[in-house]
Amino acid sequence: DTEVTQTPKHLVMGMTNKKSLKCEQHMGHRAMYWYKQKAKKPPELMFVYSYEKLSINESVPSRFSPECPNSSLLNLHLHALQPEDSALYLCASSQDMDRGYGYTFGSGTRLTVV
Amino acid sequence: AQKVTQAQTEISVVEKEDVTLDCVYETRDTTYYLFWYKQPPSGELVFLIRRNSFDEQNEISGRYSWNFQKSTSSFNFTITASQVVDSAVYFCALSVPNFGNEKLTFGTGTRLTIIP
Repeated sequence: DTEVTQTPKHLVMGMTNKKSLKCEQHMGHRAMYWYKQKAKKPPELMFVYSYEKLSINESVPSRFSPECPNSSLLNLHLHALQPEDSALYLCASSQDMDRGYGYTFGSGTRLTVV
Repeated sequence: AQKVTQAQTEISVVEKEDVTLDCVYETRDTTYYLFWYKQPPSGELVFLIRRNSFDEQNEISGRYSWNFQKSTSSFNFTITASQVVDSAVYFCALSVPNFGNEKLTFGTGTRLTIIP
């Protein structure tokens, strides 16, 4: 299995809703990432988990809450989002940190906040 | 700090033409890694190549080739005999080891359109 699987593929939520994005990989990768990508922009790093511990938080607002239940799963919990949070959310994994391993990306969740 | 510049925002070529996508990077570190990713309309980022700073050999993979030149801090990507399926946004990216805090820095991307 050489894939990163993200669910759901599309999500529409109201500003008072609570939802979660899920990401799963079975490649034995020890680093997992959340990226946010606005239209016609490059991906922007949000969070990094290394060996199931949060290692990087790029000053992301607290309405985004990451969780890594185990080495194969990564969640992003969403609460009280704003319309400007509408974007493509990409999950990625890599074999390890600091060794320049290529990242494997999922196909993303297209989030619309109404 | 690291920076990646892709000066070409959009490129359009007729099918079967060759096209080169430019990438210039900035870093003070001697150990670093360079990548190219393809993002088709479906959204998934597809890994194309990885190059470390100590390996300046150019690489060819089918119709794709990459030219890494440390002297000019460039890592350019050439598609030979382009096809419609090559239409996508292409991102050049850079990462630097940082005590467990390695980050991937992306360029702004080049939107490539192949005209049939």
